[in-house]
Amino acid sequence: GAVVSQHPSWVICKSGTSVKIECRSLDFQATTMFWYRQFPKQSLMLMATSNEGSKATYEQGVEKDKFLINHASLTLSTLTVTSAHPEDSSFYICSARDNDPRYEQYFGPGTRLTVT
Amino acid sequence: SQQGEEDPQALSIQEGENATMNCSYKTSINNLQWYRQNSGRGLVHLILIRSNEREKHSGRLRVTLDTSKKSSSLLITASRAADTASYFCATAAIFGANSKLTFGKGITLSVRP
Repeated sequence: GAVVSQHPSWVICKSGTSVKIECRSLDFQATTMFWYRQFPKQSLMLMATSNEGSKATYEQGVEKDKFLINHASLTLSTLTVTSAHPEDSSFYICSARDNDPRYEQYFGPGTRLTVT
Repeated sequence: SQQGEEDPQALSIQEGENATMNCSYKTSINNLQWYRQNSGRGLVHLILIRSNEREKHSGRLRVTLDTSKKSSSLLITASRAADTASYFCATAAIFGANSKLTFGKGITLSVRP
């Protein structure tokens, strides 16, 4: 089946630093990737949608300069949290979709970010 | 903004019992999907039901959809301790390349052995 990986699975960084999270589709070409964030015991909130080779589309209220998304290849998308603050601590989940007509999304295992 | 609202928010049952979880949504949809999330993990797709379908089965899962009431239910029969997880419904307003999922708040299911 379609597998999506994320790296790292968890990361702790100091306030003011930047951290990059990778999302990879391992056995399919992901034409579209999605980035979500999830606070404890809450739902997934879509942050942005990215298509390979083009700029990401951000949801309302998500700062594009703070959450940099790059979808440079059909198997890799990265999310960089710039100048991280404690309130950015969250669980970040990516999902990927190929051109299959079912348009099913495959989710990664998530990355736990803690900003101290 | 969140589309789906699940209820109950938390459900605790004994192993072997059935678990019923409900989801309501506000706007028109193309399809509704149910996902499971184990603590601190990613999402696992369980089942998708299209707006022109009323019921769907997959193993011990049964999903119903009532578009007139804008609601769906997920039934897990003969529950097992391994079913303990959070369950989310997600809706897609359209079908196709521009489709996006909107998730509900989730239901925490605990199955006691």
